[in-house]
Amino acid sequence: QVQLVQSGAEVKKPGASVKVSCKASGYTFTSYYMHWVRQAPGQGLEWMGIINPSGGSTSYAQKFQGRVTMTRDTSTSTVYMELSSLRSEDTAVYYCAREEGATNYGMDVWGQGTTVTVSS
Amino acid sequence: SYELTQPPSVSVSPGQTARITCSADALPKQYAYWYQQKPGQAPVLVIYKDSERPSGIPERFSGSSSGTTVTLTISGVQAEDEADYYCQSADSSGTYRVFGGGTKLTVL
Repeated sequence: QVQLVQSGAEVKKPGASVKVSCKASGYTFTSYYMHWVRQAPGQGLEWMGIINPSGGSTSYAQKFQGRVTMTRDTSTSTVYMELSSLRSEDTAVYYCAREEGATNYGMDVWGQGTTVTVSS
Repeated sequence: SYELTQPPSVSVSPGQTARITCSADALPKQYAYWYQQKPGQAPVLVIYKDSERPSGIPERFSGSSSGTTVTLTISGVQAEDEADYYCQSADSSGTYRVFGGGTKLTVL
């Protein structure tokens, strides 16, 4: 079955970086874009950016430009999201979600979420 | 920046119709999407391309669009529909996505 499985929870100190993985299975990895969305405690969803696993091209929300890097490994059908210069406000659940390329079908499958806690 | 505005909360009794709106300050007329999120769970897509329903989503969920406002309608609300609902769209380029602030649906 189609699923996105994310890496486990992380605890980081302010100023550090975190790298979250999202392993896809059950579908053609390169046919679907991958989004990253985060949700701070008690808050709404926030779109961070998108990667096209086919060529590796990325687009990032302006808020995260310069701090986020999204990459992919087609050999393992895994995408990665690295966020640097962490601060307490980055404490959140981070989700990956796929979207079929150029079809406007929406983010139809989501990972289970990865909790990132930033604390000194 | 492009923003989507939702009411913070909507309350309905079981069996009634719930309507959740999502307004854009300047809709570039990209499609709208709706996601349902229950506590401790990942979001679930319930409407795509303004009014299409993914397979497996009950028929009581529907979407519509008029001008700069899109609406999620849940007919015959059930207790299990109590959740947070988020609209989502994109800027004029279609690349940069944005979510509304979310609406908490309470089933009385």
